[in-house]
Amino acid sequence: EAGVTQFPSHSVIEKGQTVTLRCDPISGHDNLYWYRRVMGKEIKFLLHFVKESKQDESGMPNNRFLAERTGGTYSTLKVQPAELEDSGVYFCASSPQGFGNEQFFGPGTRLTVL
Amino acid sequence: KQEVTQIPAALSVPEGENLVLNCSFTDSAIYNLQWFRQDPGKGLTSLLLIQSSQREQTSGRLNASLDKSSGRSTLYIAASQPGDSATYLCAVHMDSNYQLIWGAGTKLIIKP
Repeated sequence: EAGVTQFPSHSVIEKGQTVTLRCDPISGHDNLYWYRRVMGKEIKFLLHFVKESKQDESGMPNNRFLAERTGGTYSTLKVQPAELEDSGVYFCASSPQGFGNEQFFGPGTRLTVL
Repeated sequence: KQEVTQIPAALSVPEGENLVLNCSFTDSAIYNLQWFRQDPGKGLTSLLLIQSSQREQTSGRLNASLDKSSGRSTLYIAASQPGDSATYLCAVHMDSNYQLIWGAGTKLIIKP
């Protein structure tokens, strides 16, 4: 069974540009999460989908970040326009239907904003 | 507000030793706790998930314990090997929502 996949693995963009990150969860997992780790800090929660619905977006830093999960399958996280402080590693995770299940993580996307 | 702390930030031990990594949390209203490892430049691999009702969980040479009332978890690694070198992270899942709250990790180096 394929794990969580993320694309791209690395992205280098200039300040002001737009970047879209993609996450494909484990097939059949209703729950999808985005987290990020900025340099020197702990991993922080960004948001949580159940199927196509946003359940919790309390961790989204500002309105430059937009997440979607069309059809309840893959998800995208768009940053527009990117700022220097957005640099970090963005992780996606998924878990089966229900509360408190183990979250399985993708390899992450390393974003560098110059 | 939940805070998760991992001490030490880094640890270096000779191969073959048994070792303990520590994780503490300030709010005991947790649903479960997960231990992960991260290899340099790689993703997060789940090692063990321990439910709040459990005292410990074992997988191979790894054993995780949980003392919910005192806000502590430990990850015991037996007979350490160079391949165990990685950053180990703990994350708590609160009763009240789906998000994981993370510690900063312990960077472990096993010397051959």
